Amino acid sequence: ETGVTQTPRHLVMGMTNKKSLKCEQHLGHNAMYWYKQSAKKPLELMFVYSLEERVENNSVPSRFSPECPNSSHLFLHLHTLQPEDSALYLCASSHDSLTDTQYFGPGTRLTVL
Amino acid sequence: GDSVTQMEGPVTLSEEAFLTINCTYTATGYPSLFWYVQYPGEGLQLLLKATKADDKGSNKGFEATYRKETTSFHLEKGSVQVSDSAVYFCALTGSGNTGKLIFGQGTTLQVKP
Repeated sequence: ETGVTQTPRHLVMGMTNKKSLKCEQHLGHNAMYWYKQSAKKPLELMFVYSLEERVENNSVPSRFSPECPNSSHLFLHLHTLQPEDSALYLCASSHDSLTDTQYFGPGTRLTVL
Repeated sequence: GDSVTQMEGPVTLSEEAFLTINCTYTATGYPSLFWYVQYPGEGLQLLLKATKADDKGSNKGFEATYRKETTSFHLEKGSVQVSDSAVYFCALTGSGNTGKLIFGQGTTLQVKP
């Protein structure tokens, strides 16, 4: 596998469920990101990790919980979500967290019922 | 704060027409500028970038020039194809060393045969 991969590609969950999104990058990068893409809104940065440490938390509700166990993997743990959390969740990586180009995965389409 | 403004879409063109998608920005410092493209059902792909004033980014026939005096980074292509139909996002690196990318709202391009 090359580039940035995300699983699952599609997820439907109830408001009381707990689920996790997974991102893996095969580029040897040190920084990873979670973005949210909602209909008719600009992409919103959620979290930034650099060398497995969180360096940005963009006022995201606590029902979203990120985890970065190593520089190649990034998770987004979800619990008690709301229907308005339905969106495309995109993962990205870059060589470092300064001004380097970010490379995106295909996204996970999340629907909260 | 830093921001990106793109022309509203959708933009509908016939094949082989000339394309311009306008992008202007507001930023402190000297950001890097990017165009990303999102094909239906996929994540974002980097199309081109420019890191300093007067730089021209180019890829797959698309071009954009970093214009500091007009704070613009307009995307152009001389002859579009049906396969160019997608959503195009202009973005810049936010201030601070957190790797934050700030996106415009995206412009949908539809190319008809």
